[in-house]
Formats: sequence, C-alpha cells, structure tokens
Amino acid sequence: DGGITQSPKYLFRKEGQNVTLSCEQNLNHDAMYWYRQDPGQGLRLIYYSQIVNDFQKGDIAEGYSVSREKKESFPLTVTSAQKNPTAFYLCASSTGTKITHGYTFGSGTRLTVV
Amino acid sequence: GQSLEQPSEVTAVEGAIVQINCTYQTSGFYGLSWYQQHDGGAPTFLSYNALDGLEETGRFSSFLSRSDSYGYLLLQELQMKDSASYFCAVVDSSASKIIFGSGTRLSIRP
Repeated sequence: DGGITQSPKYLFRKEGQNVTLSCEQNLNHDAMYWYRQDPGQGLRLIYYSQIVNDFQKGDIAEGYSVSREKKESFPLTVTSAQKNPTAFYLCASSTGTKITHGYTFGSGTRLTVV
Repeated sequence: GQSLEQPSEVTAVEGAIVQINCTYQTSGFYGLSWYQQHDGGAPTFLSYNALDGLEETGRFSSFLSRSDSYGYLLLQELQMKDSASYFCAVVDSSASKIIFGSGTRLSIRP
C-alpha cells in the first residue's frame, strides 16, 4: 500500500544539537510539506516543496532547513537555532496540481528537547 | 495575512447532530477543507469545498459561503468514534499550500 513514512516516531534531542526528521512517500506525489503542531494548537507550515530541487519557506521556517533531492524524500532538519523545537512534526504530500483532493499525512514524529 | 476562526471546543450527545463553524480572513482563497485528527494521530482529509453550497459525504457534510467567508462541517448520527479534533483549512489562491485553523475539539457524551 502507498503512504508516507515518518521516522522516528519519538525523538529526543539535547539542546544545541541539530536533528533530522525523515519523511518518505511512495505515492508518486509531486508536493511535500512539513507542519509543526504544538499541544492543543493547529498546524503551522514550516516548508513545502512542489518539485524536486525546489522548496519554499512557510510561516515558521526560522531554525529549520529542508532538502528535496528525490521526489520520494523530504527530510527536515531542526537546527540549534530553533528556540522551542519540542513539538509534533507532521509531513504531508499531495499530487501538487490536485491539492483540492487533500493532503496525505504521515503518522508524525514527536520531538522532545531534553 | 491569513486567519481562521473556529470554536475551541464543542460537546454533543451520541446520535445527535453537531455543526462546527469556521470563518476565515485570507489574502487569497481557493477553497476550504476539513480534517479530522484523533488524539496522538495524524490528520485525515474529510472534505473540500471550492464553490458555494453543501457537499455531502455519508454522515458528514461541509458547507461554504464565499461571500461570507464562512463554512461549516455538519456531523450527523454522532458516534463515540467521532470524538476528535476537527480543523478547517484554507487552500491558498495558488492552490499550492494549506493554512489550518487552530481546531475544534469535539467531545461526545453517551
């Protein structure tokens, strides 16, 4: 079955460390997205990419970086510059031109800074 | 800028009907989506409205009024498994990304 795989499910990071969250999809979707969700809050867009080797900043890109070297993969790096990284991170994809059909989400990575 | 307003919490009785409202202010608008998220899980897509009117999918219906910048999600014959958070979300004018509201937590009583 096609879907989006995020790993790891839980991640602990020490302050001052960079950490990379994995997102892989086998849906042949063109567009991929990273959102952050804080407890009791909505989803805020970090970065998105509509084609390989191209990506755009979302509303809260500071302290994060991404790459899109392959259609299937869109890893997110949480850098030490991100002051409050503890959150639930969700990766999503869509067919790009058919965003109206909705996103498909991965199961998320819960990041905790210790 | 963009903002979406929806109630933070709604409580309803099993078997009843509930409506979750959403108003939006956006610099560009392509359509309105609704997502469901159970605690600890990922959001799942429920519906999409690009034109004014009502879209029905089983027990769930979604309505949009573009002139009023308003929409709602209607859930009928409520079941305990419908207890979840529901997010309205605007597809921006370029149809390239989605902006989410802060969510409505729906609690269902027996």
